[in-house]
Amino acid sequence: GAGVSQSPRYKVTKRGQDVALRCDPISGHVSLYWYRQALGQGPEFLTYFNYEAQQDKSGLPNDRFSAERPEGSISTLTIQRTEQRDSAMYRCASSHSSASGYNEQFFGPGTRLTVL
Amino acid sequence: DAKTTQPPSMDCAEGRAANLPCNHSTISGNEYVYWYRQIHSQGPQYIIHGLKNNETNEMASLIITEDRKSSTLILPHATLRDTAVYYCIVRRGPGGATNKLIFGTGTLLAVQP
Repeated sequence: GAGVSQSPRYKVTKRGQDVALRCDPISGHVSLYWYRQALGQGPEFLTYFNYEAQQDKSGLPNDRFSAERPEGSISTLTIQRTEQRDSAMYRCASSHSSASGYNEQFFGPGTRLTVL
Repeated sequence: DAKTTQPPSMDCAEGRAANLPCNHSTISGNEYVYWYRQIHSQGPQYIIHGLKNNETNEMASLIITEDRKSSTLILPHATLRDTAVYYCIVRRGPGGATNKLIFGTGTLLAVQP
């Protein structure tokens, strides 16, 4: 079956522009997560949702970053007034449920963001 | 969530067992040990998890010491396709779960032909 998909796969933008990154989770998955990964580092948690509710946004680095999942399926991560330090791979993951601790997270291919 | 310590890199000969260690000396009673791996530029992939008993699945075995302060992931017959960064992650389970995964820098396993 289809896995987690993300679009665009690559995004190059100029400093100061806004960008929107999209994540389409596995059908039926309740939970959706956003991570950011710098080169040579492990993924860093940003935020996660159960259905449409944002449960934890403690990893969002500042108020330029926001995320939504209005209908409990597709999610959008928005970065306003991008800065060069925002350049990274942004990864989305989804899982069946967050009700237990056994939820395996399935990761998408990521969006490579480059801010010039 | 407890912090983990892993060696930055390891080599393994193709066809041999790969044993990847992880220290988690501050693990608490309701925290589980999870292993994920990341092959080249792909997204991380779940391998296995456990609480205190040893676990085995089609990918690997997980050996957790009796005091739960360390664990070893075993790939019984490593292939070139197992070359990846392996992450050991400790996180709370049910009844107080935090669902985010906290990745460290992991162990780069290089399987040699």
